[in-house]
Amino acid sequence: GAVVSQHPSRVICKSGTSVKIECRSLDFQATTMFWYRQFPKQSLMLMATSNEGSKATYEQGVEKDKFLINHASLTLSTLTVTSAHPEDSSFYICSALTHRGQPQHFGDGTRLSIL
Amino acid sequence: GDSVTQMEGPVTLSEEAFLTINCTYTATGYPSLFWYVQYPGEGLQLLLKATKADDKGSNKGFEATYRKETTSFHLEKGSVQVSDSAVYFCARDSNAGGTSYGKLTFGQGTILTVHP
Repeated sequence: GAVVSQHPSRVICKSGTSVKIECRSLDFQATTMFWYRQFPKQSLMLMATSNEGSKATYEQGVEKDKFLINHASLTLSTLTVTSAHPEDSSFYICSALTHRGQPQHFGDGTRLSIL
Repeated sequence: GDSVTQMEGPVTLSEEAFLTINCTYTATGYPSLFWYVQYPGEGLQLLLKATKADDKGSNKGFEATYRKETTSFHLEKGSVQVSDSAVYFCARDSNAGGTSYGKLTFGQGTILTVHP
């Protein structure tokens, strides 16, 4: 079945550092990928929709300059948290849509901890 | 706008008990409905789905029926196991049911703990 790989699974870094998270579709082409943020014991909040070859569409309240999204190929989307601060600590999850219109497939998430 | 409401948890059951987790959704458009499961420290896995009214999704003993009249998609399992302990999310998409699945709106999640 479809597999989405997210890397790294966990990252701990100092405040002010920029962190890049990768989301790869391993056995299918994903024209659309989604980035979610999940706070402890809470639901997933959609941050942005990433379409290959075009600018990402951000949800209301999500800072574009803070969370940079690049979808350079049909199998890779990246989320860069720029100048991260402790309040950016969270669980970030990506998902991908196959070109056949099947339900979204989710990565295993990235636990980001900013000290 | 789109929204999904799940019963509040946590839910604690003994092994082999019957499980129901309620889910209702806003009736805008003709959404597809989903249940996802999240095990500790992991991403989400699709458990089951239904794309139109009266459809029943089923997987691993779990079932949910798309009820348009009550805008509900309750999750049920007749006999839970310890391994079912996880967080369960109900979700709807923003598109009309059918060929494409767009942005998902999730419920708040229900923590299920099953004791031996």
